[in-house]
Amino acid sequence: SQTIHQWPATLVQPVGSPLSLECTVEGTSNPNLYWYRQAAGRGLQLLFYSVGIGQISSEVPQNLSASRPQDRQFILSSKKLLLSDSGFYLCAWSALAGGPYNEQFFGPGTRLTVL
Amino acid sequence: AQSVTQPDIHITVSEGASLELRCNYSYGATPYLFWYVQSPGQGLQLLLKYFSGDTLVQGIKGFEAEFKRSQSSFNLRKPSVHWSDAAEYFCAVVTSGNTPLVFGKGTRLSVIA
Repeated sequence: SQTIHQWPATLVQPVGSPLSLECTVEGTSNPNLYWYRQAAGRGLQLLFYSVGIGQISSEVPQNLSASRPQDRQFILSSKKLLLSDSGFYLCAWSALAGGPYNEQFFGPGTRLTVL
Repeated sequence: AQSVTQPDIHITVSEGASLELRCNYSYGATPYLFWYVQSPGQGLQLLLKYFSGDTLVQGIKGFEAEFKRSQSSFNLRKPSVHWSDAAEYFCAVVTSGNTPLVFGKGTRLSVIA
């Protein structure tokens, strides 16, 4: 069966510090991968998605970036965190196919607090 | 572009009462529709999905949803709510093609005794 992991689970970082959040998927090949952010009361904001290694689509221009160095690994980074980067970050995957197979499976999330 | 509207930000129901969470979508063709649930501090879990066929779909935890094309709606229902159903509920839509889901802003459900 497929599983998705995120780490760390919780992170407290000072403003201006770098960030690296990691997401890995097991039990599937060629998944679509996604990064979402949840700020309080704002629902899910899609940040990045990837349909293959090295292929990243950015949905929201900001000081975050994403990379996909391996087929089942997705990394969210920042060189300098802002207070507004605080939130709950969710990684998700879906099968690399259209339509009905695009249901997404979510990881447990990372709670980021920027002070 | 497709969009999803969940008109209710927060709903409070009594334990044992029935529940209906509203979801409306905007898309010209038949979409693929999903309901997810998120407990506090957790990831999202798929409750049910509609692709085609029977417009009433059954999901996990006793939930069901009905697709109504004429109303562009996909409302989530449960006949008797349990305290453990307190969570955030998200409706989502996707069209054909390799594109991400589009989520509504969510409805927070509180359950009182």
